[in-house]
Amino acid sequence: DTVMTQSPASMSTSVGERVTVNCKASQSVGTVVAWFQQKPGQSPKRLIYLATNRHTGVPDRFTGSGFGRDFTLTISNVEAEDLAVYYCLQYDSIPWTFGGGTKLELK
Amino acid sequence: AVQLVESGGGLVQPKESLKISCAASGFTFSNAAMYWVRQAPGKGLEWVARIRTKPNNYATYYADSVKGRFTISRDDSKSMVYLQMDNLKTEDTAMYYCTAALLNYWGQGVMVTVSS
Repeated sequence: DTVMTQSPASMSTSVGERVTVNCKASQSVGTVVAWFQQKPGQSPKRLIYLATNRHTGVPDRFTGSGFGRDFTLTISNVEAEDLAVYYCLQYDSIPWTFGGGTKLELK
Repeated sequence: AVQLVESGGGLVQPKESLKISCAASGFTFSNAAMYWVRQAPGKGLEWVARIRTKPNNYATYYADSVKGRFTISRDDSKSMVYLQMDNLKTEDTAMYYCTAALLNYWGQGVMVTVSS
C-alpha cells in the first residue's frame, strides 16, 4: 500500500500569510494526487485533482504542485474562511490512501 | 444540482451487520464510479470502497481493513449505491460518506456506531 505522510499535522497562521502543506508518498504516484478541505461539521471538499488542477470555483490562492513522491498545497494570502483541515489523497493505486491531515488554525 | 443522500446508519453491536444506502441525483449515475469514505470520530479520512460502472463489469475494490467483511453494490435503475457491512467491529465506528466523480461530490454522511 502507498503511505501518504502529510506534514505538518497542524500549523498556526495569520490572515494574509502564505502557508504550505506537504505530502510525501512512499512510492511514486505520478501526478495522481488530490487535495481536500474539511471545515468543522462539514463534508470534505475537493480543491485540487491530478496534483495541480484546481476544481471549478476554488479560489486561485490555492495551488497544488508536485510529481512522483513529493506534493505541496500552497495557500497564498490566507483568509479566515480557509481555517480547516486539509488532506492529500493518492488515487494512483488501490487501496487509495489519504494523508493524516493538516489542521490550519489562526494565531 | 448533484445530491448524495446517505441513510441507514445507527447503533449496532459487534459482529452484527448493517446496510447503508446512498441516493444519488443530478448526474448520470450509471456513468459514474461510486465510493465510500469513512471518518472515525476526531480522526482523518479513510477510503473504504469503490464500485465501477457496467462497462467495467461493476468491478469492486476495498480497503484492507474491510476486505471480506464489507460489500459495495449499486442499482443503476434506482441511482442507489449500498454498503453491506458484516461482522462489524468497534473500530468500524465512523461517519460514512458516499462520494462520486473521483471524490468531487460528497454526501452529508451517515453515522455508524458499533458498540456493546
